[in-house]
Amino acid sequence: GQNIDQPTEMTATEGAIVQINCTYQTSGFNGLFWYQQHAGEAPTFLSYNVLDGLEEKGRFSSFLSRSKGYSYLLLKELQMKDSASYLCAVRDGRASGGSYIPTFGRGTSLIVHP
Amino acid sequence: ETGVTQSPTHLIKTRGQQVTLRCSSQSGHNTVSWYQQALGQGPQFIFQYYREEENGRGNFPPRFSGLQFPNYSSELNVNALELDDSALYLCASSHGLAGAPGELFFGEGSRLTVL
Repeated sequence: GQNIDQPTEMTATEGAIVQINCTYQTSGFNGLFWYQQHAGEAPTFLSYNVLDGLEEKGRFSSFLSRSKGYSYLLLKELQMKDSASYLCAVRDGRASGGSYIPTFGRGTSLIVHP
Repeated sequence: ETGVTQSPTHLIKTRGQQVTLRCSSQSGHNTVSWYQQALGQGPQFIFQYYREEENGRGNFPPRFSGLQFPNYSSELNVNALELDDSALYLCASSHGLAGAPGELFFGEGSRLTVL
């Protein structure tokens, strides 16, 4: 099975930087995703890491260390609209039929205040 | 490019009833996954369909069943509804090629309330 752990809630100030951590334990690994989910809306894809290191995409960056079972999502220059839940999802090494199946953590609710 | 659409968006049922939720996958995607998301929780994997075959199942009882059609649209059926089935049901489509990132494209969800 899989175990994915991320903080339940974080708060930060507009314009600041915040780092949301995710640790995981899986039997095999085939990629880690971060999704953003605003209240009442569907999750939307933010980033994908399969190799160790940092992936940067505008104000958002995601880091992966496979040996440590650890990832973080870094959000810079925070804006009010970044208030949302951030979901870490891990694909394990099982290959069933057409694709791998990601398992989601419970999400980190980020509150950005002025 | 047409995104993932789900219907109905909201529905209310009573315990013991049955419900069918529908999903049209994004154009070009042959894989559909269904997730249950309770309030304040992350999405929990129910099952996945690839080319009309069930391709993996999470820890859900057999009263949760599904179908995928030749056009890759899908249905989720839940029998003998229980109060704990109240949740947001998310459908996500992806292109099921091994090696591709396979990011999930989610629909807006169907919010089910069981009374």
